[in-house]
Amino acid sequence: GNSVTQMEGPVTLSEEAFLTINCTYTATGYPSLFWYVQYPGEGLQLLLKATKADDKGSNKGFEATYRKETTSFHLEKGSVQVSDSAVYFCAQNSGGGADGLTFGKGTHLIIQP
Amino acid sequence: DADVTQTPRNRITKTGKRIMLECSQTKGHDRMYWYRQDPGLGLRLIYYSFDVKDINKGEISDGYSVSRQAQAKFSLSLESAIPNQTALYFCATSETGVGDTQYFGPGTRLTVL
Repeated sequence: GNSVTQMEGPVTLSEEAFLTINCTYTATGYPSLFWYVQYPGEGLQLLLKATKADDKGSNKGFEATYRKETTSFHLEKGSVQVSDSAVYFCAQNSGGGADGLTFGKGTHLIIQP
Repeated sequence: DADVTQTPRNRITKTGKRIMLECSQTKGHDRMYWYRQDPGLGLRLIYYSFDVKDINKGEISDGYSVSRQAQAKFSLSLESAIPNQTALYFCATSETGVGDTQYFGPGTRLTVL
């Protein structure tokens, strides 16, 4: 079945450090891929997405590229801020007549000043 | 006002009680979803609805039922609550599914004693 695997945290970085959160997926077709972010006490909100191979999603300095050959969608940011502290979820939606997102377990990111 | 609202925000109940969680949206989307979030497990899909007349089971539908009363309203029921249904429950909507963004409510924290 479809699944998403992402690196588990917590991940602790200093402000202005480079961030990578790895995400790989398994799917029977060609899914759409997403990164959602959850701030403390809130619901999830979309950070970025890519709907086909080689697409790059970007938002708020974050980027991720849809790599079909490695079935990956790694999240990167060149210089993190304290305000980036949150839980990040990688997700896919494979469609095929069904619907709904399949999520990874989430990565808790902590940025220290 | 929030586009996706959930009531109640917090609920404590006892084993065996019937519980209903409600979700309303003002985005005009046809598709709605219920997920549960457990620590370390990410979010898992319970039910989803393509429209008022089309409701489908997700990954973990056992012990739950849903009702789509109108385009804007999608309720989740626990017919006889049990302690392992203690979790954070999220409602979400999307316009067309698959590659489309899902918009999440703030969540309902349910505790079953």
